Amino acid sequence: GIQVEQSPPDLILQEGANSTLRCNFSDSVNNLQWFHQNPWGQLINLFYIPSGTKQNGRLSATTVATERYSLLYISSSQTTDSGVYFCAALNSGGSNYKLTFGKGTLLTVNP
Amino acid sequence: NAGVTQTPKFQVLKTGQSMTLQCAQDMNHEYMSWYRQDPGMGLRLIHYSVGAGITDQGEVPNGYNVSRSTTEDFPLRLLSAAPSQTSVYFCASIPRSGRAEAFFGQGTRLTVV
Repeated sequence: GIQVEQSPPDLILQEGANSTLRCNFSDSVNNLQWFHQNPWGQLINLFYIPSGTKQNGRLSATTVATERYSLLYISSSQTTDSGVYFCAALNSGGSNYKLTFGKGTLLTVNP
Repeated sequence: NAGVTQTPKFQVLKTGQSMTLQCAQDMNHEYMSWYRQDPGMGLRLIHYSVGAGITDQGEVPNGYNVSRSTTEDFPLRLLSAAPSQTSVYFCASIPRSGRAEAFFGQGTRLTVV
């Protein structure tokens, strides 16, 4: 099945800094999502982005499907951005509906 | 529109007990799945279903049973709980095309003592 790798595994920022999180995937995809898991354990959908670029406030994401990677940008970080960010991909083709997750990036934003 | 609803949110079981984690979605999604989340492991797929009456195993299926009698519901059963099943469980649903956003429930935190 598809492999999903995220980097870096941990990231510590000062409030106001910018950051880029990366997600590499091993095969073509028709579903690529970014999630934020907050300190209460909830998985929050950030972006559905199998290709192209999207922006939502201080967050944006870009997926280059031909090169099999996706980037999540966080600008002017805030302490509420802390938590784990997951990338998940669903492989194209057939009846394979397995959404595979990376191991996540643990982001800590200090005041 | 409630999305994906999981119950219970928290549960403590004794080793050997059985229980069912409930998952229901109201978006008419064909594809539903169960994941478990353990520290440092991300989310791993337990079982999934591509429609009523059809289920299949994921990455870590041992110790769990599922069935899908309706499009809306996808319960996960632990027949004889073990401490290794202590984890956070998430249910998800996706439209059949796969080319759309997956939605997740709020999770069930299970402790087996």
